[in-house]
Amino acid sequence: AQRVTQPEKLLSVFKGAPVELKCNYSYSGSPELFWYVQYSRQRLQLLLRHISRESIKGFTADLNKGETSFHLKKPFAQEEDSAMYYCALSGGETSGSRLTFGEGTQLTVNP
Amino acid sequence: EPEVTQTPSHQVTQMGQEVILRCVPISNHLYFYWYRQILGQKVEFLVSFYNNEISEKSEIFDDQFSVERPDGSNFTLKIRSTKLEDSAMYFCASSGTSGRPILYNEQFFGPGTRLTVL
Repeated sequence: AQRVTQPEKLLSVFKGAPVELKCNYSYSGSPELFWYVQYSRQRLQLLLRHISRESIKGFTADLNKGETSFHLKKPFAQEEDSAMYYCALSGGETSGSRLTFGEGTQLTVNP
Repeated sequence: EPEVTQTPSHQVTQMGQEVILRCVPISNHLYFYWYRQILGQKVEFLVSFYNNEISEKSEIFDDQFSVERPDGSNFTLKIRSTKLEDSAMYFCASSGTSGRPILYNEQFFGPGTRLTVL
């Protein structure tokens, strides 16, 4: 079974502070990991995926297979980063492309 | 930029009634999905659809649910006899153009339909 855990429902930081949103997963094969973001009154949208190894809006995430984690980090948070962040996992080809989501973390960046 | 659209944005129905939630996926996408999110809970996968048939479904997707792509553009989710616990936000998503493995395709989400069952 595949499972994604985001231990923090709420996270509040000040503008300019570093931020880390935690994500742990369990999956027996080689998963594909994603971070989706939902800004207020907007739809879910892809922020980044581990296979691309890219930085989007200053955010990065590294897949740590030993710790089964995919934490999202940004060195200097901005007020416009305030949003709901979901970590998601997709299994290998044998299990199709369904996304399994974590519970989400509501990030608030205070001025 | 093309987007997934969903109608209606909010649907209120009585328990036991049938509802149809509609989605228009991005036009050149090949894979279609329904997810739901009960208030305060995580987004959950319901079903995926490819090549005019269900490719995967979750344990939530029981006989009360069905999906259809009636006309080549719409993708619908039907709930035959709604229950109180079907109240949720329902998201449609689409992904995948030909030539890329399924796994690496970004899923694009619609804005959701809020279903309230009274």
